[in-house]
Amino acid sequence: DIQMTQSPASLSASVGETVTITCRASGNIHNYLAWYQQKQGKSPQLLVYNAKTLADGVPSRFSGSGSGTQYSLKINSLQPEDFGSYYCQHFWSTPPTFGAGTKLELK
Amino acid sequence: QIQLVQSGPELKKPGETVKISCKASGYTFTNYGMNWVKQAPGKGLKWMGWINTYTGEPTYADDFKGRFAFSLETSASTAYLQINNLKNEDTATYFCASGGLYWGQGTTLTVSS
Repeated sequence: DIQMTQSPASLSASVGETVTITCRASGNIHNYLAWYQQKQGKSPQLLVYNAKTLADGVPSRFSGSGSGTQYSLKINSLQPEDFGSYYCQHFWSTPPTFGAGTKLELK
Repeated sequence: QIQLVQSGPELKKPGETVKISCKASGYTFTNYGMNWVKQAPGKGLKWMGWINTYTGEPTYADDFKGRFAFSLETSASTAYLQINNLKNEDTATYFCASGGLYWGQGTTLTVSS
């Protein structure tokens, strides 16, 4: 099974700052990676798929990058609605495992 | 629009059985597989497996083999998750998800004596 190591586990930032979350896969996942945002008590929302393609309606301040085993989600100019938890998930093989998550909190 | 609507919260005792439903609308049900994801309280997301909505063939992650069963009622565009012989550690929110883009609202299951 491919394991996803996500970091940091938590992050404290202010509105307007830029943050980056990373996921490292235990094997090459060939850009088959998605990023989700989850607000407390809600279902996850797809942000990015295929490592760098923004889902419909996702603001351009979000961007995904990476290849091979290393991937990143960057959020430019944080907005109040961006605070919550973020998860990566690979889709290269079964099981499509999730990273452990990053909790992004307001400083 | 595309929606996945799940059944309501459940409170069960250890050893009982629960069946959670996920009703899809706004697309052809058999075009996309249905995934099930577990989120224990305060924890991350865990992929449980998926069911091929065209063939009905389920695939279970290793931790969800044995007591867990995925099924379909294709005529009603509905997928089901059944958990038998419930344990306290099954307490969680369970999500159905189609293609990663569309998620149900989650069903909270509490197992307590």
